[in-house]
Amino acid sequence: LAKTTQPISMDSYEGQEVNITCSHNNIATNDYITWYQQFPSQGPRFIIQGYKTKVTNEVASLFIPADRKSSTLSLPRVSLSDTAVYYCLVDSMTTDSWGKFQFGAGTQVVVTP
Amino acid sequence: DTAVSQTPKYLVTQMGNDKSIKCEQNLGHDTMYWYKQDSKKFLKIMFSYNNKELIINETVPNRFSPKSPDKAHLNLHINSLELGDSAVYFCASSQARGVVALHFGNGTRLTVT
Repeated sequence: LAKTTQPISMDSYEGQEVNITCSHNNIATNDYITWYQQFPSQGPRFIIQGYKTKVTNEVASLFIPADRKSSTLSLPRVSLSDTAVYYCLVDSMTTDSWGKFQFGAGTQVVVTP
Repeated sequence: DTAVSQTPKYLVTQMGNDKSIKCEQNLGHDTMYWYKQDSKKFLKIMFSYNNKELIINETVPNRFSPKSPDKAHLNLHINSLELGDSAVYFCASSQARGVVALHFGNGTRLTVT
């Protein structure tokens, strides 16, 4: 399974864009990148998933460069309610790694007024 | 309707006791998981079942035994509880095998005294 590295914490003000970069140097050809959000006392919640280039949904955008060794989760115009821990995962399609969804330490994002 | 529900939400017990945590999902998913989140927020997979069949069994002490009576339920039984078992345990489900989104419950905080 590809190991992921992301910043431990990030601070932001309301209304700003927050970009969290995750490194996954050993990503394999069939691996996907997935991001989850976790609020205190809740389970992680799926945000976005991608394989290459750019993916956008109503919550966030995911940018993946051509070499796929990193990815950036972009949260536009954050609000106080975006304060949470954000996890980057590499999901493997290989049989022996399937379903093992390796969560790292995550990035604690704190949004202040 | 809660998609993935766990009971109890909190569990305080003494060393040496045996306890169970129940999980139910109403999403119609085929695959269910148990994760353990320690005090440093690392989420580690413990078990996964696909259609009542055990498919992932990570390095977990034999004191932990999952049971899946049907594909909507995955329970976790823990024998001879130890102090180090204190953690938050999350149940999750996904639609199928492969690169999919995990749906988590809100966790069971287990405290062993």
